[in-house]
Amino acid sequence: AQSVTQLDSHVSVSEGTPVLLRCNYSSSYSPSLFWYVQHPNKGLQLLLKYTSAATLVKGINGFEAEFKKSETSFHLTKPSAHMSDAAEYFCVVRRFSGGYNKLIFGAGTRLAVHP
Amino acid sequence: DTEVTQTPKHLVMGMTNKKSLKCEQHMGHRAMYWYKQKAKKPPELMFVYSYEKLSINESVPSRFSPECPNSSLLNLHLHALQPEDSALYLCASSQEGQETQYFGPGTRLLVL
Repeated sequence: AQSVTQLDSHVSVSEGTPVLLRCNYSSSYSPSLFWYVQHPNKGLQLLLKYTSAATLVKGINGFEAEFKKSETSFHLTKPSAHMSDAAEYFCVVRRFSGGYNKLIFGAGTRLAVHP
Repeated sequence: DTEVTQTPKHLVMGMTNKKSLKCEQHMGHRAMYWYKQKAKKPPELMFVYSYEKLSINESVPSRFSPECPNSSLLNLHLHALQPEDSALYLCASSQEGQETQYFGPGTRLLVL
């Protein structure tokens, strides 16, 4: 069955430095992968998704992710962190089960951005 | 309009109360979802509705009762909840058969 593992529970960066949030996936076929962000006391917002088109996926707010089949990874990056990027980030894989799409969430990575 | 709205934003209820959470979307989506999110945990799927019919119940206790009166509206009726049911309840919607789900801001529920 499809699953994702987020390798870091907490990441701390300084404002203006690059961000790397790591995610490995497990899937017996070409997966559909997502990154969602959740700001404190808010719902989830879709950052980007990969659905077997281009391996480098660009999302909102300057984020991008690269699908690497050989490494079974889908890491999220941003060249320069902003204070407003501080949030919880979830790597998500779609599981098709019983005729329906289910989203399977990773445990989350909390990103802290320091001035 | 890509917005999913949820009311109320916050809810405090006693274990003997009956309350309802409401979710609304006007994107023409025919699949709607309820998730439960405990503090510092990822969301967990509770129910899936497709074309106003309950498609998936992830073994949720009967004190949670979902309802989909029409294609735009999803309710979650709560009765005799326990303190451990305190959580953020998220609603989402998607085009039928599509993978991308759009989430509402959630209702933060506290059961005393």
